[in-house]
Amino acid sequence: EVQLVESGGGLVKPGGSLRLSCAASGFTFSTYTMNWVRQAPGKGLEWVSSITSTSGDIFYADSVKGRFTISRDNAKNSLYLQMNSLRAEDTAVYYCARAAAGDYWGQGTLVTVSS
Amino acid sequence: EIVLTQSPGTLSLSPGERATLSCRASQSVSSSYLAWYQQKPGQAPRLLIYGASSRATDIPDRFSGSGSGTDFTLTISRLEPEDFAVYFCRQYGSSPRTFGQGTKVEIK
Repeated sequence: EVQLVESGGGLVKPGGSLRLSCAASGFTFSTYTMNWVRQAPGKGLEWVSSITSTSGDIFYADSVKGRFTISRDNAKNSLYLQMNSLRAEDTAVYYCARAAAGDYWGQGTLVTVSS
Repeated sequence: EIVLTQSPGTLSLSPGERATLSCRASQSVSSSYLAWYQQKPGQAPRLLIYGASSRATDIPDRFSGSGSGTDFTLTISRLEPEDFAVYFCRQYGSSPRTFGQGTKVEIK
């Protein structure tokens, strides 16, 4: 069974940093593109970042470029999102999702940026 | 950036009725890399359709996707009670990947 479990969310002050993790199981993690997608409270979905299977190609939304860094460790079946210089508008549930089309999603981890 | 515009914003229908949801792109979507998701309150999105018209695993055949280029449609042939939710389209053919703003299908 495919499972994606996010962790690392929490309350952080503006300008602070957080590192999100996504633990994958039930499939060959090293062969899939992975994504981070976020959803602000009561709002729609916003794609944040994608990374190909070997980390050869990485993409970011303009809203996070230069502040967020996506990475993965295929030996640990894990995906990461390092978030720096956080802003109030980064407050959202952050989901990891498998594959370019997003065929499996985790349940999300809430990031709240507030003073 | 490809902007996806979904219409209508809200669709009020009764169980058993047909639902037709539209997703229009500001530019052609590469290789029909267009997906549809369903989201219920408090839950993660669920993939329904990928490649514009291919149903994802375990998705009932009352859900179908069609279209190419800039115009795409999600059709639910006969609404079941569990189908009342918010539906999003997303293109994943070019960066930045983008989502539509969503269509809420509510019980009339």
